[in-house]
Amino acid sequence: KQEVTQIPAALSVPEGENLVLNCSFTDSAIYNLQWFRQDPGKGLTSLLLIQSSQREQTSGRLNASLDKSSGRSTLYIAASQPGDSATYLCARRSGGYQKVTFGTGTKLQVIP
Amino acid sequence: NAGVTQTPKFRILKIGQSMTLQCTQDMNHNYMYWYRQDPGMGLKLIYYSVGAGITDKGEVPNGYNVSRSTTEDFPLRLELAAPSQTSVYFCASSSGDFNQPQHFGDGTRLSIL
Repeated sequence: KQEVTQIPAALSVPEGENLVLNCSFTDSAIYNLQWFRQDPGKGLTSLLLIQSSQREQTSGRLNASLDKSSGRSTLYIAASQPGDSATYLCARRSGGYQKVTFGTGTKLQVIP
Repeated sequence: NAGVTQTPKFRILKIGQSMTLQCTQDMNHNYMYWYRQDPGMGLKLIYYSVGAGITDKGEVPNGYNVSRSTTEDFPLRLELAAPSQTSVYFCASSSGDFNQPQHFGDGTRLSIL
């Protein structure tokens, strides 16, 4: 069974700290890996998408990396802010319209 | 920029009732999806559509039906509501380029009592 795992399930850090969120997947035949942010009561907002041919993507304070051989992706958040508090989900597409598998998310709290 | 719009935002149903969750998108996307999100679980695909008139089952289709008569709209119907269908339902859309992200609505929170 193809699975996507995110550890830890919850994380609390003081404001200003750099942090890394982890995503691991069991199938290395990956098409792309996407990171989303979900605020309470809201839908998912796409943050970064890494194609299988890429190693990383950057947007502002966010950097996502992809290592297909080890089945891992990380989301690095620099200089965290209280506004970064949300749940972060990764999703792996392995091909085909329906083959997107979501992780269960990491709930991040940044304390002022 | 409306994006993906879902209605209603909240609903409480009694066991055995039926209802339709509405989803519309204004980005002219061919691909549309319905997911459910249960506490502590990842999103599970219920149904998806690759264009008007074409739908197919996802991972958890039992108890649901869909239709796609236009590019914009992709309603999800629950025929006989059961407590196991209590969940948050998300509609999403995407273009035909799978290296472009999916766009999500804000969800419908459904409780069945």
